[in-house]
Amino acid sequence: DAKTTQPNSMESNEEEPVHLPCNHSTISGTDYIHWYRQLPSQGPEYVIHGLTSNVNNRMASLAIAEDRKSSTLILHRATLRDAAVYYCILRDLSNSGYALNFGKGTSLLVTP
Amino acid sequence: DVKVTQSSRYLVKRTGEKVFLECVQDMDHENMFWYRQDPGLGLRLIYFSYDVKMKEKGDIPEGYSVSREKKERFSLILESASTNQTSMYLCASSSQGVPEAFFGQGTRLTVV
Repeated sequence: DAKTTQPNSMESNEEEPVHLPCNHSTISGTDYIHWYRQLPSQGPEYVIHGLTSNVNNRMASLAIAEDRKSSTLILHRATLRDAAVYYCILRDLSNSGYALNFGKGTSLLVTP
Repeated sequence: DVKVTQSSRYLVKRTGEKVFLECVQDMDHENMFWYRQDPGLGLRLIYFSYDVKMKEKGDIPEGYSVSREKKERFSLILESASTNQTSMYLCASSSQGVPEAFFGQGTRLTVV
């Protein structure tokens, strides 16, 4: 499986934008880029996914590099509730029965 | 609201006991998964299932078995619990061709 690399931790001030990077230099053409997050004492939850184009939803935006070897999850205005571990995961949706392979993720600290 | 429900949030069992962790989803999903999460090791896949009575080993199946007799229910079985199986156990489900997977709240199992 293609692997992803994320910083161990990041810090942001409340109400400021946050850019969470992810490197995936060995991504294959059929791999979708998924982001999940895990709030304290909860199971992971889906945030967003994309293939080539930038994507927006109510939670976040996903910016994908033109060569697809990196991506950035953007939280437009961080809140205290966004403090969580964020996971960047590659998944081939043609084999969507396959499980998500979680790495260590990035622990985001949001300070007031 | 879509739901993945795990039968217990907290469980304490004795070494050598047979332990059943139950997971139920109400979304008619084909795929179900069991993970364990440990500090510093992240989420690791134990077993998954594509369909009723189907099961596949994940990355760390040793000491575990699973059962999927009905589509909505996926059970994780610890045949003879050991202290190194003390962990947070997370169940998830997803549908073929759909990017989002849903997780339960987790069961924190302590084996004494």
